[in-house]
Amino acid sequence: GAVVSQHPSWVICKSGTSVKIECRSLDFQATTMFWYRQFPKQSLMLMATSNEGSKATYEQGVEKDKFLINHASLTLSTLTVTSAHPEDSSFYICSASKEGKTQYFGPGTRLLVL
Amino acid sequence: QKEVEQNSGPLSVPEGAIASLNCTYSDRVSQSFFWYRQYSGKSPELIMSIYSNGDKEDGRFTAQLNKASQYVSLLIRDSQPSDSATYLCAVNQLPAGNNRKLIWGLGTSLAVNP
Repeated sequence: GAVVSQHPSWVICKSGTSVKIECRSLDFQATTMFWYRQFPKQSLMLMATSNEGSKATYEQGVEKDKFLINHASLTLSTLTVTSAHPEDSSFYICSASKEGKTQYFGPGTRLLVL
Repeated sequence: QKEVEQNSGPLSVPEGAIASLNCTYSDRVSQSFFWYRQYSGKSPELIMSIYSNGDKEDGRFTAQLNKASQYVSLLIRDSQPSDSATYLCAVNQLPAGNNRKLIWGLGTSLAVNP
């Protein structure tokens, strides 16, 4: 199999706080993980690509200082939304690449910033 | 601009019929092609991957790839109401590094009517 987990599945926080989301590949090693964001009724938007042990590559328009990504091991990547604001409320989804080809998605994290 | 295009739909088919979903891509060097299914409020799940010209069958699903015409399609036989979802086409972009970033279509909404 290729199972990817995310934690937490949903989070509510106050404006100005930071939120950390974890993404784990449970039964395979993922050299590359991806972070996406999806607003209601819109398509997936790639935020960044993360390789184990190196700095993430951010897509154009995504603030790297606001969305901190750490990929410390072959099975774990984290996304920290710093100083979250209501406009950051969204569905955040990670995926992990198995054998450099197929991306398998985690179940997603719903973030609501009040 | 590398693009993947899909008809947004909604595509409506009666239960038991064949649903045909199409996708075209602009980058001729693309080599890996994927179909994902996304239920409302959930993250995408992999349905099929295809890498070479021709058909690939998996249960009720058949992916068809024609690199010369730059299209990939997904056929769903004996459509069921549970197949009602958005189907996302994704194409592998080959960057210089090791990041297997996918280029995503906007998705086709499928409704299977009982």
